[in-house]
Amino acid sequence: KNQVEQSPQSLIILEGKNCTLQCNYTVSPFSNLRWYKQDTGRGPVSLTIMTFSENTKSNGRYTATLDADTKQSSLHITASQLSDSASYICVVSANTGGFKTIFGAGTRLFVKA
Amino acid sequence: DAGVTQSPTHLIKTRGQQVTLRCSPKSGHDTVSWYQQALGQGPQFIFQYYEEEERQRGNFPDRFSGHQFPNYSSELNVNALLLGDSALYLCASSPRGLGATEAFFGQGTRLTVV
Repeated sequence: KNQVEQSPQSLIILEGKNCTLQCNYTVSPFSNLRWYKQDTGRGPVSLTIMTFSENTKSNGRYTATLDADTKQSSLHITASQLSDSASYICVVSANTGGFKTIFGAGTRLFVKA
Repeated sequence: DAGVTQSPTHLIKTRGQQVTLRCSPKSGHDTVSWYQQALGQGPQFIFQYYEEEERQRGNFPDRFSGHQFPNYSSELNVNALLLGDSALYLCASSPRGLGATEAFFGQGTRLTVV
């Protein structure tokens, strides 16, 4: 069964600290993995997208890694800011003749001053 | 260049009623996907439209239907509303039809069923 699991479910950190969010997936055949940031009540905004051959992708203070062998990805946030408070959603797509996209439940990040 | 736009932003309906949500994709995009996001959950795929036809469908009942117009805009219709249909409904557009690697989301429509 195609699944995407994220951990932790929620996280509280102090402003300026780093943090790492995890994503494990069983989606097959793998096409790409995306990380989105979603502010409360708003639509998700893309942070990074990685295909099978890529193992790291950066977007400012956000760095995503992908290990296609273990089917794991992480999103590392450096020098967190209050505006980083949001849900971070891991999305994995499978190329199944059609195109199947599976969303994780997200990690809710709270950055405190 | 306008991004993905959805209307209305908020909506309150009564159980048993019908609702229509609208989505205009990003310029140059031809594929529209709809998602339902319950509070505290990740988005759940409803269906995807490409070339004015439903191409893929998630695990949603027939009460959920849609349409895509020649200008690529799309509608999501929900009949016989239930309290459990209360959610944020997201529209995502992508280029190049099926298999596109990038999707842009609208701000969503918050539907409340009372």
